[in-house]
Amino acid sequence: AQSVTQLDSQVPVFEEAPVELRCNYSSSVSVYLFWYVQYPNQGLQLLLKYLSGSTLVKGINGFEAEFNKSQTSFHLRKPSVHISDTAEYFCAVSDPSGGYQKVTFGTGTKLQVIP
Amino acid sequence: GAVVSQHPSRVICKSGTSVKIECRSLDFQATTMFWYRQFPKQSLMLMATSNEGSKATYEQGVEKDKFLINHASLTLSTLTVTSAHPEDSSFYICSAHEPSGVADTQYFGPGTRLTVL
Repeated sequence: AQSVTQLDSQVPVFEEAPVELRCNYSSSVSVYLFWYVQYPNQGLQLLLKYLSGSTLVKGINGFEAEFNKSQTSFHLRKPSVHISDTAEYFCAVSDPSGGYQKVTFGTGTKLQVIP
Repeated sequence: GAVVSQHPSRVICKSGTSVKIECRSLDFQATTMFWYRQFPKQSLMLMATSNEGSKATYEQGVEKDKFLINHASLTLSTLTVTSAHPEDSSFYICSAHEPSGVADTQYFGPGTRLTVL
């Protein structure tokens, strides 16, 4: 079984400051890793994904994440946040060996960008 | 990226009625779609996996007779909440599995806010 832990339920940060949203996963097999963003009353939008290869993954809106296999982490970072980045961010993991992608989500981290 | 739509975006119904939610993949064919529900301030919980032309696979604890899923075509899956009750009020989100491209990815619909009075 796979699971995802997002330790921080809320992260306040001032505008133009850097931010890191933490994500740790557990799985007995190789997995795919994702970060999604959800704006209020909307669905999820894919920010970035790690499938294989380079451990540093760049996504949309200036976000990037680094896969660390030894620490089983996939932290999301942005060097300078904007007000528009205020949203909830979900880390997710899937096991591609199951014939279809069954995705397990973390509990989410609410990013609050302070003007 | 691929686009998934949901209809309606929000619905309010009386207790005891049934509500149908549609999920469509607009620019790709999806053999597999997923249905999630999200309670306020919580994460998404997978309810069921919808496979085109076959029966849906439900997660443990999800009532098959209450949440009817039909995946009649490669671009449409429907979720019907039968005899809805206030505790069914939630945000329902579908996703579609796009099998082409570099690797498989799920694309999410915008969600449907269901309120049962």
